[in-house]
Amino acid sequence: AQSVTQLDSQVPVFEEAPVELRCNYSSSVSVYLFWYVQYPNQGLQLLLKYLSGSTLVESINGFEAEFNKSQTSFHLRKPSVHISDTAEYFCAVIERVGGAQKLVFGQGTRLTINP
Amino acid sequence: EAGVVQSPRYKIIEKKQPVAFWCNPISGHNTLYWYRQNLGQGPELLIRYENEEAVDDSQLPKDRFSAERLKGVDSTLKIQPAELGDSAVYLCASSLARLSTDTQYFGPGTRLTVL
Repeated sequence: AQSVTQLDSQVPVFEEAPVELRCNYSSSVSVYLFWYVQYPNQGLQLLLKYLSGSTLVESINGFEAEFNKSQTSFHLRKPSVHISDTAEYFCAVIERVGGAQKLVFGQGTRLTINP
Repeated sequence: EAGVVQSPRYKIIEKKQPVAFWCNPISGHNTLYWYRQNLGQGPELLIRYENEEAVDDSQLPKDRFSAERLKGVDSTLKIQPAELGDSAVYLCASSLARLSTDTQYFGPGTRLTVL
């Protein structure tokens, strides 16, 4: 079974509109959850992560994600997007395989902001 | 602070030819990762190094892929011989500590096209 699933491959929105990028994880993996962002022609960079504590985590550029254990979800939201948010967003989880742990990524969601 | 450096950025080769990718991690980062990202997919871990030791190479196709991290700093990933299905972006990442929850910093990747 897929450890992490991103339900939308592409999400087009208008500038200043709200957006939600959906991510669901398998209940068999750890609850260490991440969102990485890949801007055009750049490497992936960490946007935010949940390890423990408050279920709502925020990034410095206005994104937030909420860990929902009952829904096994970690959706990413922003109340008002900007053109500069155009990027591909990857949800990731820590998966334990044998004695090793590794970061497992979803398939990605391409966020396109239209003026 | 310089980020993760990878070279070359692009490589086009014919099948059955060898190819090598180079990575220089962030200074002081002991853990180094190689990922492969197929078109429309998230990155998948190939190998993880702790200093010069490969601690997780379970996903590395060892019949044609090899990697090394001499002196625990730079790393090289090699494919010999390349196949059509090896066309992908090869990403290098590094992290300060060995914890799986530690933030990984990614390079821009090498886009390999096998003709």
